[in-house]
Amino acid sequence: DAKTTQPPSMDCAEGRAANLPCNHSTISGNEYVYWYRQIHSQGPQYIIHGLKNNETNEMASLIITEDRKSSTLILPHATLRDTAVYYCIVLSGTYKYIFGTGTRLKVLA
Amino acid sequence: DSGVTQTPKHLITATGQRVTLRCSPRSGDLSVYWYQQSLDQGLQFLIHYYNGEERAKGNILERFSAQQFPDLHSELNLSSLELGDSALYFCASSPRQALPEKLFFGSGTQLSVL
Repeated sequence: DAKTTQPPSMDCAEGRAANLPCNHSTISGNEYVYWYRQIHSQGPQYIIHGLKNNETNEMASLIITEDRKSSTLILPHATLRDTAVYYCIVLSGTYKYIFGTGTRLKVLA
Repeated sequence: DSGVTQTPKHLITATGQRVTLRCSPRSGDLSVYWYQQSLDQGLQFLIHYYNGEERAKGNILERFSAQQFPDLHSELNLSSLELGDSALYFCASSPRQALPEKLFFGSGTQLSVL
């Protein structure tokens, strides 16, 4: 499975868009990009996933570059409840679902 | 509520002891994953079961073992416990072993080894 690189921490003002980057330069053609978040010590929560195309759901948008070597998770209007650790994962058929250290997002009032 | 149930929520035990953590996946889910999260650490993948069979292994210690039963619930057995085994243990389930696959996490078992 491809390795991912994320910034360790980011701040975002409440009400503004939070853009969380992820680098996965060794991704291969059949590997999906997934995003999860973990609020405090709760179980991680699925946010969104994609393969090639940009995706949007009720929680967030996922923008994948054309070469698929990086992606950005966008929370359009961040709230204080979005403060969490965000994990970017690349998964192929090994099913090892490896979580890295993620990005600690702090939404500021 | 994810639908994944983990018991117990908290467990306090002593070094050298053995404990069993239980996970009931969401109804119909065939895959179960186990993770360990130590204080201020990321989630460490331990093991994955699909429909009773082990499918992938992470950095799981030899003192740890797991199984998935015919009713699809899973147990993680930790033996000869050490202080460093104190952690949050999460299980997650998913409906199938085909991509894309979403994981649904339980609320975890907090293990304290004294």
